[in-house]
Amino acid sequence: AQKITQTQPGMFVQEKEAVTLDCTYDTSDPSYGLFWYKQPSSGEMIFLIYQGSYDQQNATEGRYSLNFQKARKSANLVISASQLGDSAMYFCAMRESDYKLSFGAGTTVTVRA
Amino acid sequence: DAEITQSPRHKITETGRQVTLACHQTWNHNNMFWYRQDLGHGLRLIHYSYGVQDTNKGEVSDGYSVSRSNTEDLPLTLESAASSQTSVYFCASSESGDGGYEQYFGPGTRLTVT
Repeated sequence: AQKITQTQPGMFVQEKEAVTLDCTYDTSDPSYGLFWYKQPSSGEMIFLIYQGSYDQQNATEGRYSLNFQKARKSANLVISASQLGDSAMYFCAMRESDYKLSFGAGTTVTVRA
Repeated sequence: DAEITQSPRHKITETGRQVTLACHQTWNHNNMFWYRQDLGHGLRLIHYSYGVQDTNKGEVSDGYSVSRSNTEDLPLTLESAASSQTSVYFCASSESGDGGYEQYFGPGTRLTVT
Protein backbone atom coordinates (compact mmCIF):
# COMPACT_ATOMS: atom_id res chain seq x y z
CA ALA A 1 0.00 0.00 0.00
CA GLN A 2 1.18 3.49 -0.81
CA LYS A 3 2.39 5.22 2.34
CA ILE A 4 2.44 8.74 0.90
CA THR A 5 0.03 10.03 -1.72
CA GLN A 6 0.40 13.28 -3.59
CA THR A 7 -2.52 13.61 -5.98
CA GLN A 8 -1.46 16.78 -7.80
CA PRO A 9 1.15 16.06 -10.47
CA GLY A 10 1.43 19.73 -11.41
CA MET A 11 0.16 23.11 -10.31
CA PHE A 12 0.34 26.68 -11.55
CA VAL A 13 0.26 29.64 -9.20
CA GLN A 14 0.44 33.36 -9.76
CA GLU A 15 3.35 35.20 -8.20
CA LYS A 16 2.53 36.57 -4.70
CA GLU A 17 -0.40 34.21 -4.26
CA ALA A 18 -0.57 31.24 -1.90
CA VAL A 19 -0.60 27.61 -3.02
CA THR A 20 -1.51 24.43 -1.15
CA LEU A 21 0.10 21.12 -1.97
CA ASP A 22 -1.80 18.05 -0.86
CA CYS A 23 -0.30 15.10 0.94
CA THR A 24 -2.00 12.16 2.61
CA TYR A 25 -0.24 9.38 4.44
CA ASP A 26 -0.89 5.92 5.80
CA THR A 27 0.76 4.44 8.86
CA SER A 28 -0.09 2.46 11.96
CA ASP A 29 3.04 3.62 13.76
CA PRO A 30 2.03 6.07 16.55
CA SER A 31 5.37 7.86 16.28
CA TYR A 32 6.11 9.32 12.88
CA GLY A 33 7.28 12.51 11.24
CA LEU A 34 6.25 14.27 8.10
CA PHE A 35 8.65 16.21 5.91
CA TRP A 36 8.47 18.37 2.85
CA TYR A 37 11.41 18.67 0.50
CA LYS A 38 11.89 20.96 -2.48
CA GLN A 39 13.77 19.86 -5.58
CA PRO A 40 14.57 22.69 -8.00
CA SER A 41 15.61 22.01 -11.58
CA SER A 42 19.24 21.82 -10.42
CA GLY A 43 18.34 18.56 -8.72
CA GLU A 44 19.31 18.95 -5.07
CA MET A 45 16.90 17.99 -2.30
CA ILE A 46 16.20 20.88 0.05
CA PHE A 47 14.50 20.31 3.40
CA LEU A 48 11.62 22.73 3.99
CA ILE A 49 9.58 21.79 7.03
CA TYR A 50 8.90 19.04 9.56
CA GLN A 51 5.85 17.99 11.60
CA GLY A 52 6.00 15.38 14.32
CA SER A 53 3.01 13.13 15.01
CA TYR A 54 2.82 14.35 18.60
CA ASP A 55 3.19 18.03 17.79
CA GLN A 56 0.09 19.96 18.84
CA GLN A 57 0.66 22.96 16.64
CA ASN A 58 1.12 23.16 12.91
CA ALA A 59 4.72 23.71 11.86
CA THR A 60 5.76 26.95 10.20
CA GLU A 61 9.04 28.00 8.59
CA GLY A 62 9.00 31.43 7.04
CA ARG A 63 6.62 31.31 4.06
CA TYR A 64 6.05 27.58 4.52
CA SER A 65 3.42 26.14 6.81
CA LEU A 66 2.20 22.61 7.24
CA ASN A 67 -1.52 22.04 7.68
CA PHE A 68 -1.49 18.87 9.80
CA GLN A 69 -4.82 17.07 10.20
CA LYS A 70 -3.98 13.92 12.08
CA ALA A 71 -7.42 12.33 12.04
CA ARG A 72 -7.59 12.74 8.27
CA LYS A 73 -3.95 11.68 7.87
CA SER A 74 -3.12 14.71 5.81
CA ALA A 75 -0.12 17.02 5.88
CA ASN A 76 -0.59 19.70 3.29
CA LEU A 77 2.10 22.26 2.55
CA VAL A 78 1.08 25.88 2.16
CA ILE A 79 3.45 28.27 0.44
CA SER A 80 2.43 31.87 0.98
CA ALA A 81 3.37 34.84 -1.23
CA SER A 82 4.77 32.64 -4.00
CA GLN A 83 7.97 33.73 -5.69
CA LEU A 84 9.42 32.76 -9.06
CA GLY A 85 12.13 30.86 -7.20
CA ASP A 86 9.48 28.59 -5.71
CA SER A 87 9.07 26.86 -9.08
CA ALA A 88 10.24 23.32 -8.36
CA MET A 89 9.17 19.78 -7.57
CA TYR A 90 7.90 19.29 -4.02
CA PHE A 91 7.97 15.99 -2.20
CA CYS A 92 6.09 14.93 0.88
CA ALA A 93 7.79 12.23 2.93
CA MET A 94 7.09 10.27 6.09
CA ARG A 95 9.54 8.86 8.57
CA GLU A 96 8.36 6.09 10.85
CA SER A 97 10.18 4.81 13.92
CA ASP A 98 12.74 2.99 11.78
CA TYR A 99 14.11 6.32 10.43
CA LYS A 100 13.41 5.39 6.80
CA LEU A 101 11.68 7.94 4.60
CA SER A 102 8.81 7.05 2.28
CA PHE A 103 8.26 9.60 -0.47
CA GLY A 104 5.28 10.62 -2.53
CA ALA A 105 5.54 10.96 -6.29
CA GLY A 106 5.89 14.72 -6.04
CA THR A 107 4.07 17.82 -7.23
CA THR A 108 5.55 20.23 -9.76
CA VAL A 109 4.84 23.86 -8.97
CA THR A 110 5.19 26.53 -11.61
CA VAL A 111 4.99 30.14 -10.48
CA ARG A 112 3.79 32.58 -13.13
CA ALA A 113 4.87 36.24 -13.17
CA ASP B 1 30.95 22.83 7.52
CA ALA B 2 29.62 19.31 7.58
CA GLU B 3 28.43 17.95 4.29
CA ILE B 4 27.50 14.87 2.30
CA THR B 5 29.18 14.29 -1.04
CA GLN B 6 28.66 11.84 -3.86
CA SER B 7 30.97 10.78 -6.65
CA PRO B 8 30.94 10.62 -9.54
CA ARG B 9 28.21 13.16 -10.33
CA HIS B 10 27.66 11.64 -13.75
CA LYS B 11 28.48 8.16 -14.98
CA ILE B 12 27.89 6.30 -18.21
CA THR B 13 28.50 2.58 -18.17
CA GLU B 14 27.72 -0.48 -20.23
CA THR B 15 25.31 -3.27 -19.47
CA GLY B 16 26.92 -5.98 -17.37
CA ARG B 17 29.68 -3.88 -15.83
CA GLN B 18 30.11 -3.47 -12.11
CA VAL B 19 29.71 0.10 -10.92
CA THR B 20 30.32 1.65 -7.51
CA LEU B 21 28.87 4.98 -6.46
CA ALA B 22 30.55 6.69 -3.53
CA CYS B 23 28.84 8.51 -0.66
CA HIS B 24 30.76 10.33 2.08
CA GLN B 25 29.32 12.33 4.98
CA THR B 26 31.03 14.41 7.61
CA TRP B 27 27.97 14.87 9.84
CA ASN B 28 29.01 11.86 11.94
CA HIS B 29 25.52 10.44 11.41
CA ASN B 30 24.83 6.82 12.22
CA ASN B 31 22.06 6.44 9.64
CA MET B 32 22.80 6.42 5.92
CA PHE B 33 20.49 5.72 2.99
CA TRP B 34 20.57 5.21 -0.77
CA TYR B 35 17.62 6.16 -2.97
CA ARG B 36 16.93 6.14 -6.65
CA GLN B 37 14.73 8.71 -8.33
CA ASP B 38 12.74 7.91 -11.44
CA LEU B 39 10.04 9.93 -13.12
CA GLY B 40 6.65 9.31 -11.52
CA HIS B 41 8.04 7.39 -8.56
CA GLY B 42 9.54 9.98 -6.29
CA LEU B 43 12.49 8.55 -4.37
CA ARG B 44 12.62 4.87 -3.58
CA LEU B 45 14.83 3.31 -0.93
CA ILE B 46 17.52 0.90 -2.14
CA HIS B 47 19.61 0.11 0.95
CA TYR B 48 20.22 1.65 4.33
CA SER B 49 22.52 1.37 7.31
CA TYR B 50 22.15 2.23 10.99
CA GLY B 51 25.84 2.03 11.75
CA VAL B 52 29.17 0.37 11.02
CA GLN B 53 28.80 -3.19 9.76
CA ASP B 54 25.01 -2.80 9.57
CA THR B 55 23.22 -2.93 6.19
CA ASN B 56 19.58 -3.48 5.28
CA LYS B 57 17.58 -3.92 2.10
CA GLY B 58 15.06 -1.32 1.00
CA GLU B 59 12.12 -1.71 -1.34
CA VAL B 60 14.18 -1.83 -4.58
CA SER B 61 17.37 -3.62 -3.53
CA ASP B 62 17.66 -6.27 -6.28
CA GLY B 63 20.90 -5.84 -8.21
CA TYR B 64 22.47 -3.52 -5.61
CA SER B 65 24.69 -4.00 -2.59
CA VAL B 66 26.25 -1.76 0.08
CA SER B 67 28.87 -2.10 2.76
CA ARG B 68 29.57 0.05 5.82
CA SER B 69 33.11 -0.21 7.12
CA ASN B 70 33.18 3.20 8.80
CA THR B 71 30.75 5.91 9.88
CA GLU B 72 31.48 8.27 6.99
CA ASP B 73 31.02 6.10 3.91
CA LEU B 74 28.31 3.96 2.34
CA PRO B 75 29.30 2.94 -1.20
CA LEU B 76 26.59 1.54 -3.47
CA THR B 77 27.58 -1.22 -5.89
CA LEU B 78 25.66 -2.32 -8.94
CA GLU B 79 26.87 -5.86 -9.40
CA SER B 80 26.02 -6.14 -13.10
CA ALA B 81 24.53 -2.93 -14.45
CA ALA B 82 21.24 -3.16 -16.34
CA SER B 83 19.44 -0.55 -18.43
CA SER B 84 16.64 -0.54 -15.83
CA GLN B 85 19.16 0.90 -13.37
CA THR B 86 19.53 4.10 -15.37
CA SER B 87 18.42 6.65 -12.79
CA VAL B 88 19.47 9.44 -10.47
CA TYR B 89 20.89 8.13 -7.22
CA PHE B 90 20.79 10.04 -3.95
CA CYS B 91 22.63 9.29 -0.77
CA ALA B 92 21.34 10.69 2.53
CA SER B 93 22.21 10.61 6.21
CA SER B 94 20.44 11.39 9.45
CA GLU B 95 20.85 11.30 13.20
CA SER B 96 19.30 8.63 15.39
CA GLY B 97 17.00 9.14 18.34
CA ASP B 98 13.69 10.83 18.88
CA GLY B 99 13.05 14.11 17.18
CA GLY B 100 12.51 15.67 13.81
CA TYR B 101 15.84 14.68 12.39
CA GLU B 102 15.77 15.47 8.72
CA GLN B 103 17.72 13.48 6.22
CA TYR B 104 20.53 15.43 4.59
CA PHE B 105 20.90 14.61 0.93
CA GLY B 106 23.91 14.51 -1.31
CA PRO B 107 23.83 16.23 -4.70
CA GLY B 108 22.97 13.04 -6.57
CA THR B 109 24.66 10.87 -9.20
CA ARG B 110 23.15 10.57 -12.65
CA LEU B 111 23.85 7.05 -13.93
CA THR B 112 23.23 5.97 -17.50
CA VAL B 113 23.52 2.30 -18.44
CA THR B 114 23.83 1.74 -22.20
